[in-house]
Amino acid sequence: GQNIDQPTEMTATEGAIVQINCTYQTSGFNGLFWYQQHAGEAPTFLSYNVLDGLEEKGRFSSFLSRSKGYSYLLLKELQMKDSASYLCAADTGAGSYQLTFGKGTKLSVIP
Amino acid sequence: EAQVTQNPRYLITVTGKKLTVTCSQNMNHEYMSWYRQDPGLGLRQIYYSMNVEVTDKGDVPEGYKVSRKEKRNFPLILESPSPNQTSLYFCASSSPMSGANVLTFGAGSRLTVL
Repeated sequence: GQNIDQPTEMTATEGAIVQINCTYQTSGFNGLFWYQQHAGEAPTFLSYNVLDGLEEKGRFSSFLSRSKGYSYLLLKELQMKDSASYLCAADTGAGSYQLTFGKGTKLSVIP
Repeated sequence: EAQVTQNPRYLITVTGKKLTVTCSQNMNHEYMSWYRQDPGLGLRQIYYSMNVEVTDKGDVPEGYKVSRKEKRNFPLILESPSPNQTSLYFCASSSPMSGANVLTFGAGSRLTVL
């Protein structure tokens, strides 16, 4: 089966740094996605990691360790607009472009 | 503008009354998929399609049907809706040619079954 775990909720202060963790146990694995979803809206793509290591994209960075089944999303210089749910999703592959999503982490940024 | 369009965005219906949620994409994507999102459960895949006339079950296909007669359209059919199908539904598409399976989601369809 497929299992993806991430914290349900987190709170952080404007201007700070926050790390959202994701662990996965899947029968197949090609890579790890992070999506952002504001309340009432569609998820939007943030990052995709295939290889181990850190990928940086502006204020957002994503890390993957395939051997540990672990990823994190790092958000720097938090802004109020970063308040959203962050969805971790594993590409479980098998040639069918299957994505299994975690339940999402709701991040609240407070002044 | 590249997009995935779902209709209706909001619908209240009654148990047993057949309904169809349409999904259309203008990006010539091969892959399309339907998800439902429920509080505490996250996004769960209902059905997906790798290309025209090719569909397959996702994790929660019971009570749903799909068809892929044209590349751009992937309607979700609820033949006899029940209250446990009350949910927020998302259609998404992507293309293997773009490398990673980066999904583009529609705006969502909020369905209430009474």
